[in-house]
Amino acid sequence: AQKITQTQPGMFVQEKEAVTLDCTYDTSDQSYGLFWYKQPSSGEMIFLIYQGSYDEQNATEGRYSLNFQKARKSANLVISASQLGDSAMYFCAMRVNTNAGKSTFGDGTTLTVKP
Amino acid sequence: DSGVTQTPKHLITATGQRVTLRCSPRSGDLSVYWYQQSLDQGLQFLIQYYNGEERAKGNILERFSAQQFPDLHSELNLSSLELGDSALYFCASSAGLARTDTQYFGPGTRLTVL
Repeated sequence: AQKITQTQPGMFVQEKEAVTLDCTYDTSDQSYGLFWYKQPSSGEMIFLIYQGSYDEQNATEGRYSLNFQKARKSANLVISASQLGDSAMYFCAMRVNTNAGKSTFGDGTTLTVKP
Repeated sequence: DSGVTQTPKHLITATGQRVTLRCSPRSGDLSVYWYQQSLDQGLQFLIQYYNGEERAKGNILERFSAQQFPDLHSELNLSSLELGDSALYFCASSAGLARTDTQYFGPGTRLTVL
C-alpha cells in the first residue's frame, strides 16, 4: 500500500518569498510518480508538477520546483517568488506502476501568502 | 480550464435517493477517474475506466457504480444515499494508462445529502 504524508496543515509566507511544502511518501514499488496539485478556494484541482522515481533531475515548472530526495522518500514542493494567487490548498499525490490508475493523496497543506 | 466537464455543479438530495453525476473527458483522453473529497476522508480515489473498461478500483462503496460509454463520457451513480456521502466528487481524465500521464481534473460536483 502507498501512503503520502503532508505534515504541515497550514503554512504562511510573505509575498515574493520562497516557500517549501513538505511531502513524504511510502511505497515498496520501485517505479512510481509523484504529483503536486493546487486547489484554490474555488475548488478545482490544478496539476502543478510531476517527478518520476527514475528521473535524475529535480522537476521544474516555472516558479514550481520539486526537491526530490529518493533515499529520504521525500518530494517537497518549492514555490519561488510567492504571489497572492498562490494562496490555496496543495496536495501531494503518488501513483505506482503496478497500479497506475490509482492515485494516493496526502491530506494537503493550506498555504496563505501575506501581502 | 482543464477541458474536463462535469455536470451538475451542485446537487442537493435526500437520504435514500439515487443520483447520477456526469463527466466528459478532455478531447483525446481515454482514461477517466472518479474521486471523492470529503472533510473527514480527504481525497479518495474511487474508480478508473479506460476506453470503456474498468481498470482500477479504489475505495468505492457497493452502493456506488460507474461506467464509461462509447463516446468516452462517464457517469457515476450513487444510490441509497446517506448523509456521509455528502462530498465534492471529481472526475479526472488522462491520455492513457501510464503512471506518468497527467490527470486533469474537472470542476467537481458538490453533492449535499439532507
